[in-house]
Amino acid sequence: QSALTQPASVSGSPGQSITISCTGTSSDVGGYNYVSWYQQHPGKAPKLIIYDVTNRPSGVSNRFSGSKSGNTASLTISGLQAEDEADYYCSSYTTSNTLVFGGGTKVTVL
Amino acid sequence: EVQVVESGGGSVQPGGSLRLSCAASGFSFRRFWMHWVRQVPGKGLVWVSRINSDGTTISYADSVKGRFTISRDNAKNTVYLQMNSLRVDDMAVYYCARDVGPAAVGPSMDVWGQGTTVTVSS
Repeated sequence: QSALTQPASVSGSPGQSITISCTGTSSDVGGYNYVSWYQQHPGKAPKLIIYDVTNRPSGVSNRFSGSKSGNTASLTISGLQAEDEADYYCSSYTTSNTLVFGGGTKVTVL
Repeated sequence: EVQVVESGGGSVQPGGSLRLSCAASGFSFRRFWMHWVRQVPGKGLVWVSRINSDGTTISYADSVKGRFTISRDNAKNTVYLQMNSLRVDDMAVYYCARDVGPAAVGPSMDVWGQGTTVTVSS
């Protein structure tokens, strides 16, 4: 199972919105509405911020939103803040009854 | 407090074995699927395996299939990862994570441990 494709890095200024893409195939992202997004700060464990494409766990800021079109899912961070600087990973369920992560995107707040 | 705590990491030679444990507390462990995810420092997350609530449904990443075995003991609130025939490319931090469960339709992981480090080197 190949990793989902994410841009290596995305940057934005405080207050701006940024979008991270996550591209897979019809065997994973395109086949199910089971895309999740995780935030990971250096030296910390990942944190779930989006599940089932668009849903936010309790306690996660509504500045984080998810969407999907075809084989590509997206995470949008609006009102970018310094604390959003972290690595972000998408994941998807697959037709092989496994999960696959994206390669990760480093978000830099300028 | 809802938490999972991994243990059992260490240093092993190629071809060796290790068993990782993940002790859960603060939630009804027997109701949740559990996952193992690994990460080479400085690299991305890689899903390894998952097990359903009663241990009857299991899946593995192709890279570990036939070498790793996931299991659980609901009486001890613990999930295990038996790792055999370890290779240099298995070297990573191994995270245990709880599946979101009924709150979600698809699999995702909402409670993560701090990880345990596995080193494979001669």
